[in-house]
Amino acid sequence: DTAVSQTPKYLVTQMGNDKSIKCEQNLGHDTMYWYKQDSKKFLKIMFSYNNKELIINETVPNRFSPKSPDKAHLNLHINSLELGDSAVYFCASSQRHSGGTEAFFGQGTRLTVV
Amino acid sequence: QQQVKQSPQSLIVQKGGISIINCAYENTAFDYFPWYQQFPGKGPALLIAIRPDVSEKKEGRFTISFNKSAKQFSLHIMDSQPGDSATYFCAASIVNFNKFYFGSGTKLNVKP
Repeated sequence: DTAVSQTPKYLVTQMGNDKSIKCEQNLGHDTMYWYKQDSKKFLKIMFSYNNKELIINETVPNRFSPKSPDKAHLNLHINSLELGDSAVYFCASSQRHSGGTEAFFGQGTRLTVV
Repeated sequence: QQQVKQSPQSLIVQKGGISIINCAYENTAFDYFPWYQQFPGKGPALLIAIRPDVSEKKEGRFTISFNKSAKQFSLHIMDSQPGDSATYFCAASIVNFNKFYFGSGTKLNVKP
């Protein structure tokens, strides 16, 4: 069973469209994230939710809106897509434990805006 | 401002050699330092992690060396294998805040 799964894996869309990426984790973790990985492989946090509550909202255009219907799901909706939004988007989840915090990542969604 | 600086950007090592990747941080509040391994088309996966109360942690061929006073930590891959070819990310976090700052990544190529 996949621990963190996101759909779709690939997404090609035209500028100006609205699209969503879904993420689900079956690890029972209470924190979920969205990361953006650009063409240079740099991983940048976008959002973090803890028990359905937004706790981190980095400097991200408000065209990006996360939604967490429950602890196991964190979806990302993007309005009015722009060429610069092309990247790989990773969902992740984590749980604190005595040794630290391990984040588990999904396989990524490669978004291409044309 | 990048919270964690990683070098080199790319690394080529012969099979059997030692791969060394370095990271540096500024925020002394960081208390958890994981390394992630990412293969093409996959998400990053935790490789090994260290807390600042120890100077070294070893798991198989992978070792983290941690220098708290210098605010630096490094990943050593002993007896590097072609299967180790991947992109490696160091990261730092404050455990209670559940937020990770990643380095810029190192693309490792182990030549057979």
